[in-house]
Amino acid sequence: DTGVSQDPRHKITKRGQNVTFRCDPISEHNRLYWYRQTLGQGPEFLTYFQNEAQLEKSRLLSDRFSAERPKGSFSTLEIQRTEQGDSAMYLCASSLEASGRSYNEQFFGPGTRLTVL
Amino acid sequence: QQQVKQSPQSLIVQKGGISIINCAYENTAFDYFPWYQQFPGKGPALLIAIRPDVSEKKEGRFTISFNKSAKQFSLHIMDSQPGDSATYFCAATIADTGRRALTFGSGTRLQVQP
Repeated sequence: DTGVSQDPRHKITKRGQNVTFRCDPISEHNRLYWYRQTLGQGPEFLTYFQNEAQLEKSRLLSDRFSAERPKGSFSTLEIQRTEQGDSAMYLCASSLEASGRSYNEQFFGPGTRLTVL
Repeated sequence: QQQVKQSPQSLIVQKGGISIINCAYENTAFDYFPWYQQFPGKGPALLIAIRPDVSEKKEGRFTISFNKSAKQFSLHIMDSQPGDSATYFCAATIADTGRRALTFGSGTRLQVQP
């Protein structure tokens, strides 16, 4: 399977616990995005990486959230001290940014569904 | 601030009918407008996209109509099939900046009845 993969697919945790999600992008893709999707809504941008550099964080990303992409390949998203309001689908997307191309399709993974009890 | 407004929330269409989903945007800097299809348990997948220099783009049974002056665009699904039953999201972005993060509408749940 050469698509974007995410692990785990489902996570149930108790309020106050820390959780970490992993995203493996399409292998040659140099850009990686994280989005959050709540029930009945479209995905909302959280942050993105160009190679290993995190270039922007949305104001939705509170200081309890941290994301890394240590070697410019897979990425992790950690949520500390989870709250019930963190319950959502966390989506990862990747794209290949190449000079001379005006827009490059983002390919989404299946998401990690987080439930905070 | 909801920068992309999508309607209707849900839509039921008979097999063979036309499904129409509408979106309106506020940010005039947006210059790339994709539509995504999402099945339960899956991530969104790109269906078709348009840039504002054209008023219409067709790919198979899917057509985007774009009205720059009204800041509106719509997806038309011709000859709708039960397999088209999914949630559809319009989106927008500023393609010519480095960020290119997508701003999504709230989604339309389409049911095509056999």
